[in-house]
Amino acid sequence: EIVLTQSPGTLSLSPGESATLSCRASQSVSTSFLAWYQQKPGQAPRLLIYGASSRATGIPDRFSGSGSGTDFTLTIRTLEPEDFAVYYCQQYESSPLFTFGPGTKVDIK
Amino acid sequence: QVQLQESGPGLVKPSEILSLTCTISGGSTSGYHWNWIRQPAGQGLEWLGHVHNSGRSNYNPSLRSRVIMSLDTSKSQLSLKLYSLSAADTAVYYCARDPVDGYGHFDSWGQGILVTVSS
Repeated sequence: EIVLTQSPGTLSLSPGESATLSCRASQSVSTSFLAWYQQKPGQAPRLLIYGASSRATGIPDRFSGSGSGTDFTLTIRTLEPEDFAVYYCQQYESSPLFTFGPGTKVDIK
Repeated sequence: QVQLQESGPGLVKPSEILSLTCTISGGSTSGYHWNWIRQPAGQGLEWLGHVHNSGRSNYNPSLRSRVIMSLDTSKSQLSLKLYSLSAADTAVYYCARDPVDGYGHFDSWGQGILVTVSS
């Protein structure tokens, strides 16, 4: 089973700043089967990025994903007030098995 | 735009069976796996398993002996049965869709249903 680790646990930033979130896998994630989600309190997760770098439908271009193998990054350029939330990475392996990282909380400084 | 809506009991007793339904509207069940994912309060997300439109299912090994999922394509309903409940099964349960030809990502989610296991 591939284990995902996210860092930092909490990121305190101001609107207008940029955020860089890290997701590291215990083994290589095959064919970039890595996704990112945003979750706000009381809401379901929302898909932001799939295939490591493809934005989901309707996601603003200030969100971008990169990486391969075991190291992946979600970048949020110019934080808007609505971007303060918890972000999860998630991987798929062919057992099949889907696992999520523990999350990074982006809160207002 | 597909919509997913979970339904079922909010309170279940320990050792009993949890039965949840996810009603799928606004889209076809074909071409997707239909998943159950749960999240204990203040914690992360755990994939429970999924069902393909063909009826083939796969489960998280940590739950395989306690879970059964099925998909009724005529009613567009996904179901979950979780056996031998304990307090550790208290969580918000989500249904979600992943495209068969996708990258193992969940592109649509229900709003979730809180299930509490308590006597």
